[in-house]
Order: sequence, then C-alpha cells, then structure tokens
Amino acid sequence: AQKVTQAQTEISVVEKEDVTLDCVYETRDTTYYLFWYKQPPSGELVFLIRRNSFDEQNEISGRYSWNFQKSTSSFNFTITASQVVDSAVYFCALSEGEEEGGSEKLVFGKGTKLTVNP
Amino acid sequence: GAGVSQTPSNKVTEKGKYVELRCDPISGHTALYWYRQSLGQGPEFLIYFQGTGAADDSGLPNDRFFAVRPEGSVSTLKIQRTERGDSAMYLCASSLQGAGEQYFGPGTRLTVT
Repeated sequence: AQKVTQAQTEISVVEKEDVTLDCVYETRDTTYYLFWYKQPPSGELVFLIRRNSFDEQNEISGRYSWNFQKSTSSFNFTITASQVVDSAVYFCALSEGEEEGGSEKLVFGKGTKLTVNP
Repeated sequence: GAGVSQTPSNKVTEKGKYVELRCDPISGHTALYWYRQSLGQGPEFLIYFQGTGAADDSGLPNDRFFAVRPEGSVSTLKIQRTERGDSAMYLCASSLQGAGEQYFGPGTRLTVT
C-alpha cells in the first residue's frame, strides 16, 4: 500500500531563513513517482516537481531544491532564503507506475503549513 | 493556455439534495482525476478517467457518488442524497497521457447544511 508521511504539521520561519520540508513515503512498487505541490491561501494546488524512482539526482530550481534518497524513502524539499510569498501549505505526493494497472492516482501526505514572517 | 476550470466555485445545498460538479480539463489532456480535500488534510483520490472510461473508481466512498466523462473532455461529479459529511473541497486535475504531472483546478467548495 502507498503512504506518504509529512511529519511536520506547521513550520514558522523568519524571512531569509532556509527551511526543509520532510517527506517519507512507502510503496511496494519499483517504479513510482514523487511530487511536491504548493497550496497558497488562494487554495489552488500548484505543481512544483515530479521525480521518478530511477532518478536520484538532486534537483535545484532557483531557491527550491529537492533531495531524493531511496535508501531512506525520503524526498525532502528545501527553500533557500525564504520569502513571505513562500507561505503556503506544501504537499508531498506519490503515484505508482502504470504497470499492473496503476492509474497514476496521487496519494498525498497531510501537508506542511509553512509561514514565513517578515 | 487555459488551465483546468471547475464550476461552480461554491455550492451550498441542503442535506438530501442532489448536486453536480463540473470540471473542464486542459485541452488535449486525456487523463482526468477527481479528488476531495477536507479541511487540514491532503487531497484524497476519488476517480480517474482515461478518455471516456473510468479506469479507477476505487476512491468513491459509496454509491451516492458517480462521475461521467461522456465525450472524453468535460467531466461531471454527481452526488445523490447529500450528507453533511460530504462537505469538502472537490478538486479536479488533468494530465497528458503518461506524463504524470497533474494540473489542478481551483476546486468547488461544497457545503451541505
């Protein structure tokens, strides 16, 4: 069974601090995909990144970076030099591959609410 | 281009009534998903369409919930005999076949009084 755990319910930081959001996942499949989404106060989920299980390279996009470690089943997300506009709920999600009838449905964690204070 | 759109943005209904929620996916996206999000929780999967057919409806909570996508584009989520526990944000997402990235609409907030 698939499961995503985001142990941090809420995090509060001061602007310009770096912050890491943790994500731990469980799956029996060898092919799977990991995602991060941002849900700002406006409510609409915004896609940030998709990573497949065969690509463990870390990814950097501007102030955002992701660290994927299969050995610990983790896909952590770091925001460098945080800004007030980064305040949102961040969700980590998992989908299994299409083999054996997988539908690519996303299984989400409960989310981490990040507040960046000026 | 236009993103996923959902109508209405808000729906208030009385317990026992029937409601329909509409989703218009991104043009060309063959895969369409419905999720439900309760306050303080992550979205939970309801149903997945590939084209016109429901490929996975394992997330529908009971037989009061039904969804259609007759022409492989717009989808309607239908809820019969609504209950107060159905109150939630209903999210729709679409993706290119095999691409995996799901793009979400703004959601319909359903309140059952």
